[in-house]
Amino acid sequence: KNEVEQSPQNLTAQEGEFITINCSYSVGISALHWLQQHPGGGIVSLFMLSSGKKKHGRLIATINIQEKHSSLHITASHPRDSAVYICAVDPSGSRLTFGEGTQLTVNP
Amino acid sequence: GAVVSQHPSWVICKSGTSVKIECRSLDFQATTMFWYRQFPKQSLMLMATSNEGSKATYEQGVEKDKFLINHASLTLSTLTVTSAHPEDSSFYICSATAGDQPQHFGDGTRLSIL
Repeated sequence: KNEVEQSPQNLTAQEGEFITINCSYSVGISALHWLQQHPGGGIVSLFMLSSGKKKHGRLIATINIQEKHSSLHITASHPRDSAVYICAVDPSGSRLTFGEGTQLTVNP
Repeated sequence: GAVVSQHPSWVICKSGTSVKIECRSLDFQATTMFWYRQFPKQSLMLMATSNEGSKATYEQGVEKDKFLINHASLTLSTLTVTSAHPEDSSFYICSATAGDQPQHFGDGTRLSIL
């Protein structure tokens, strides 16, 4: 069993839909990261959180430390949101353990 | 926001040659840089962690003589794939961090060995 598991692996949505990607982990962590990887391969850090909830534009990330679970939400999805979304946890220090990613496709 | 520049973005070379990939933090001093490898449809795998001025720490199974890492300054780390072979073809990506700040990733280097 992977230390970090994401669901779903693939997600197809219509433009405007509300999207949720889930991440469960099995180790104690100091922080959890949500990353976005575009088709060209470049990675953008979306959120780093250790408790509660963060919002940036149409993106919202939540984490429940007791349940070892985090969710990434995208409101009013758009085709440009199409990418791979990766959950990564930081057990201690700064070494990250990555989930396998969720491939999101938003159709116009 | 913080920017990490990785160069080159794409390399095609013959088997047996050595390839150097650069990772630069453009607007902050990176105390730690990480090198990752990613195979198609798979997650990133940490290869090594490098701190400025000291030897890199390699993950289990990563050959340090094959993948030479140099972190000569607080803004530059290099990964050299020595005597590259087709099985070294992959996507290599670096990240940089200053202290307990989030990691900032480069755009990656796609390496193809013929």
